[in-house]
Amino acid sequence: DIRLTQSPSSLSASVGDRVTITCRASQSINTWLAWYQQRPGKAPKFLVYNTSYLENGVPSRFSGSGSGTEFTLTINSLQPDDSATYHCQHWIGFLWTFGQGTKLEIK
Amino acid sequence: EVQLLESGGGLVQPGGSLRLSCTASGFRFSAYWMHWVRQVPGKGLVWVSRIYSDGSATNYADFVEGRFIISRDNAKNRLYMQMDSLRADDTAVYYCVRGDRGGFDVWGQGTMVTVSS
Repeated sequence: DIRLTQSPSSLSASVGDRVTITCRASQSINTWLAWYQQRPGKAPKFLVYNTSYLENGVPSRFSGSGSGTEFTLTINSLQPDDSATYHCQHWIGFLWTFGQGTKLEIK
Repeated sequence: EVQLLESGGGLVQPGGSLRLSCTASGFRFSAYWMHWVRQVPGKGLVWVSRIYSDGSATNYADFVEGRFIISRDNAKNRLYMQMDSLRADDTAVYYCVRGDRGGFDVWGQGTMVTVSS
């Protein structure tokens, strides 16, 4: 089975900063890689699908990229409400796999 | 408004059963695969089960295979999860989720299932 490992597990950044979260797969995967934002006590929110496509309504400050075993979520110009946990997720066949999550704190 | 609303969570003893329900609104329910995803509070997300749009096929994570059954009633816009032989490690928030574009684009608010004596 494919394993997804996110790094870092947590990070702290300031308003206006740019941050990058990495999702590494245990083997080369297809491009069906998605990203979610989850604020405390809330359900996850769909941000990015198929590696680099933004869901409707997601600010263009968010972007996704990658291929093979390494995928990234980049957030430009951090805003206070970007404080959340971010999860990557992959789909192939009958398997949906999540990373362990990255907690982003805004200083 | 596109919405998913779960119900049926609660406290159950080990070995017991629980049935989760999810009511969909605001979209053509019968057109989408539907899933259950769970999350132990403070931990990561874990996919549990999927059902085809017409209910003709289902898939399960290994850790629930043979204990959980996913089903749907497209006439009522409802998704279900029958959970039997529950264990302490099934304790989690269970989310009803719509599948689309390789991911999960609509989430319910979640329902807490606690398995404890």
